[in-house]
Amino acid sequence: GAVVSQHPSWVICKSGTSVKIECRSLDFQATTMFWYRQFPKQSLMLMATSNEGSKATYEQGVEKDKFLINHASLTLSTLTVTSAHPEDSSFYICSASRTPGSYNSPLHFGNGTRLTVT
Amino acid sequence: GQQVMQIPQYQHVQEGEDFTTYCNSSTTLSNIQWYKQRPGGHPVFLIQLVKSGEVKKQKRLTFQFGEAKKNSSLHITATQTTDVGTYFCAGPLGATNKLIFGTGTLLAVQP
Repeated sequence: GAVVSQHPSWVICKSGTSVKIECRSLDFQATTMFWYRQFPKQSLMLMATSNEGSKATYEQGVEKDKFLINHASLTLSTLTVTSAHPEDSSFYICSASRTPGSYNSPLHFGNGTRLTVT
Repeated sequence: GQQVMQIPQYQHVQEGEDFTTYCNSSTTLSNIQWYKQRPGGHPVFLIQLVKSGEVKKQKRLTFQFGEAKKNSSLHITATQTTDVGTYFCAGPLGATNKLIFGTGTLLAVQP
C-alpha cells in the first residue's frame, strides 16, 4: 500500500490565491521530504528539500517566498503556493525515504497534486 | 550542473517486441535508480544499482549499471501493454540525498 499520502489530488484555483498541499508519511518518520514539480511530458524537477524542524532548502531558481514549505512534524510536510499564477499550473509531487540521510535510499512518492490556476 | 539524459525520448513498439532505454549522467554516480510512471500516475521505484557493471533482473526487465558508473540501461523483453509508461533513471546529486531524475523515456505498446 501507499507509504506517502498527498492531498489534495487535484485543485483548481483562481489567479492570486494560495494553495496548500499536504504530504504525509504513513508508516515511517520522515525527517526529510522532497518536493518535485513536473510539467506535462517533462521530467521531475526537484524544487526543495523539506527538513523537519528547520528551514527548507530550495533549488536554484525556485522562489522560497512563493513556495512556502513547512515541516512541522516527522510525518507531515506542506507546500503552499502563494499568489498562484497560471504559470504555476503543474503536477506537484512529494517524496520521502524510509532512511533519510542516506543517498542510496529509494524514494516513495505521493500520488501528486495537479494544480490548475485559472 | 549535473545532468542526467535518457534516450530515446519516446518509443512505440508492438506488443512482444523488446525495448531499451539508455541513461547517461554527466558525473559519476554512487548509485542509479529506476522508476516507472504510468500515465496520470506518480513515479514508482523499480530498482537500485550500486556496483560498477552490476546487472539485475526483474522478470522481463534487465537493468545494467555501466563500468564507469555514469550510464545505465533498462531492457524489457517481449513488451506487454502493462509496460506502458515513462521510465526514469535517477541518481543522487553529488554526495547529497537529493535525487536528480533523467529526462525519461515514454514507452507506448501497441497490442
